[in-house]
Amino acid sequence: EAGVAQSPRYKIIEKRQSVAFWCNPISGHATLYWYQQILGQGPKLLIQFQNNGVVDDSQLPKDRFSAERLKGVDSTLKIQPAKLEDSAVYLCASSSYGNSPLHFGNGTRLTVT
Amino acid sequence: QKEVEQNSGPLSVPEGAIASLNCTYSDRGSQSFFWYRQYSGKSPELIMSIYSNGDKEDGRFTAQLNKASQYVSLLIRDSQPSDSATYLCAVKPSTGANSKLTFGKGITLSVRP
Repeated sequence: EAGVAQSPRYKIIEKRQSVAFWCNPISGHATLYWYQQILGQGPKLLIQFQNNGVVDDSQLPKDRFSAERLKGVDSTLKIQPAKLEDSAVYLCASSSYGNSPLHFGNGTRLTVT
Repeated sequence: QKEVEQNSGPLSVPEGAIASLNCTYSDRGSQSFFWYRQYSGKSPELIMSIYSNGDKEDGRFTAQLNKASQYVSLLIRDSQPSDSATYLCAVKPSTGANSKLTFGKGITLSVRP
């Protein structure tokens, strides 16, 4: 089965610019996650979707971050405007049912200068 | 704030030794526990999941869970240089689809040839 697809792999932008990341989960996986991983730290959940509904976005900085999952499949995560502290790897993951493990994509490494 | 703590590390062991990685969690009601391995520059990959008290073995890996003491550990027998990576402990409060998976910051393991 194909894995979780993410693009782009790398992105370099200046502060105050905007950026968008795309994720395509494993076919049939109802739950989709966006995690932020800062160097030397564990992944931090930004937002969790169940089909196309938001389950948890308590740690999403909503003044600058937004995410959507149209039709319960693909998802995009946007940052506008970016800050230096947003430099991190953004990981998308999906899972098939409540207790199943997460499968991660390769991530997008964002550098904000 | 429900927490997952991985405080020891980095850890260095000689090739062939047993590596012991520990993790504690704060939510006593947690139901699902996972160990992920993350090579430098790569995304996390699942290596073990455990849901019941006791030991679970898979090849050279053994996960140990003690819910009363709120800790989960990972033992790696006959450690190989290829095991050198960061190991992330992850905990899920319940089996529901809306349950959030929380990661620790990870322990970096180095296996010396």
